[in-house]
Amino acid sequence: EDQVTQSPEALRLQEGESSSLNCSYTVSGLRGLFWYRQDPGKGPEFLFTLYSAGEEKEKERLKATLTKKESFLHITAPKPEDSATYLCAGDYGGSQGNLIFGKGTKLSVKP
Amino acid sequence: NAGVTQTPKFQVLKTGQSMTLQCAQDMNHEYMSWYRQDPGMGLRLIHYSVGAGITDQGEVPNGYNVSRSTTEDFPLRLLSAAPSQTSVYFCASSYSDWSPLHFGNGTRLTVT
Repeated sequence: EDQVTQSPEALRLQEGESSSLNCSYTVSGLRGLFWYRQDPGKGPEFLFTLYSAGEEKEKERLKATLTKKESFLHITAPKPEDSATYLCAGDYGGSQGNLIFGKGTKLSVKP
Repeated sequence: NAGVTQTPKFQVLKTGQSMTLQCAQDMNHEYMSWYRQDPGMGLRLIHYSVGAGITDQGEVPNGYNVSRSTTEDFPLRLLSAAPSQTSVYFCASSYSDWSPLHFGNGTRLTVT
């Protein structure tokens, strides 16, 4: 069974304190790895797609990387507005029926 | 360009009642899907559609029906609501099965 596991479940940072979120996934059959951000009361919002090991993508204070068995979302010098739940999802091909979401990491950034 | 629009935002049902959650997108996306999100669990796929007239079951389809008569609309029907269907429901669309999903802002459903 395909698995996508995120850690930690929750992360509390001080403003400016850099850290990383982890997403480990079942390697076999992975076609792509997605990162989404979800604010309270809202739907997830797309951040990045990664397709191959070694790939990196950046957006403002966020950088997503992919290795052969896990992905990291690095947050550099976070601000309170970065507080949200971050979801990763593995695309195992076929149709939308093969997109497996992790449970998410809830990030809180205190001023 | 409104993206993906879901209605209603909140709904309370009694056990056994039926209702339809509405979803519309204005991006001309072929792919649409319904997910439910429960505390401590990842988003789980209920039903999806790869185009008008074509639907298929996801991971948790029992108790739900869908149809896709137009590209824009993808309603989700609860046939006889049960407390286990208390959840937040998200509709999503994408250009293709390779593309990122665009989500609506959800419907919070409580079944008493």
